[in-house]
Amino acid sequence: GIQVEQSPPDLILQEGANSTLRCNFSDSVNNLQWFHQNPWGQLINLFYIPSGTKQNGRLSATTVATERYSLLYISSSQTTDSGVYFCAVGRGRDDKIIFGKGTRLHILP
Amino acid sequence: EAGVAQSPRYKIIEKRQSVAFWCNPISGHATLYWYQQILGQGPKLLIQFQNNGVVDDSQLPKDRFSAERLKGVDSTLKIQPAKLEDSAVYLCASSFPGTGHYGYTFGSGTRLTVV
Repeated sequence: GIQVEQSPPDLILQEGANSTLRCNFSDSVNNLQWFHQNPWGQLINLFYIPSGTKQNGRLSATTVATERYSLLYISSSQTTDSGVYFCAVGRGRDDKIIFGKGTRLHILP
Repeated sequence: EAGVAQSPRYKIIEKRQSVAFWCNPISGHATLYWYQQILGQGPKLLIQFQNNGVVDDSQLPKDRFSAERLKGVDSTLKIQPAKLEDSAVYLCASSFPGTGHYGYTFGSGTRLTVV
């Protein structure tokens, strides 16, 4: 099956800092999603981005499908950005998505 | 729109007992997923439904887990008998494929503790 690797596994930053999270995947995909899991366990869909670039406020994401990686950018971090960020991929648009192990982000006030 | 509803939020049972979880997806979402998330890991798919048919249950431990989605709306996931290693959060998600909107919406999950 498809392998999903996320880096770094852990990240600690001061409030206001910028960060880049990376997701590498082992095969062609037509479905790639980024999620934020908050400290209470709720998974929130941030982006559906099998290719190209999207932005939503302080967050943006870029997927280079031909090189099999995606990046999530968080600018001007806030304490509410803390949690675990997951990348999940699927071969087909309607197929199941496979999750990586996540990047645990801790923003210090 | 209302989100994905799950119940109960928490459940503690003894090993060898049975337990059931319920999920109500977003109205109109044809695809429903059950994921298992063990502490410190990413969610793992257990079963995927398209309307009331099973699309993928390859990772469902069928000797003890079962799931159904009657009428293509609500779904229940059952474990019988439970083992200690079943302690996890069980997440339900839904999506509305075929319209260009493929993002998943997750419920709040059911945290199961088997003692």
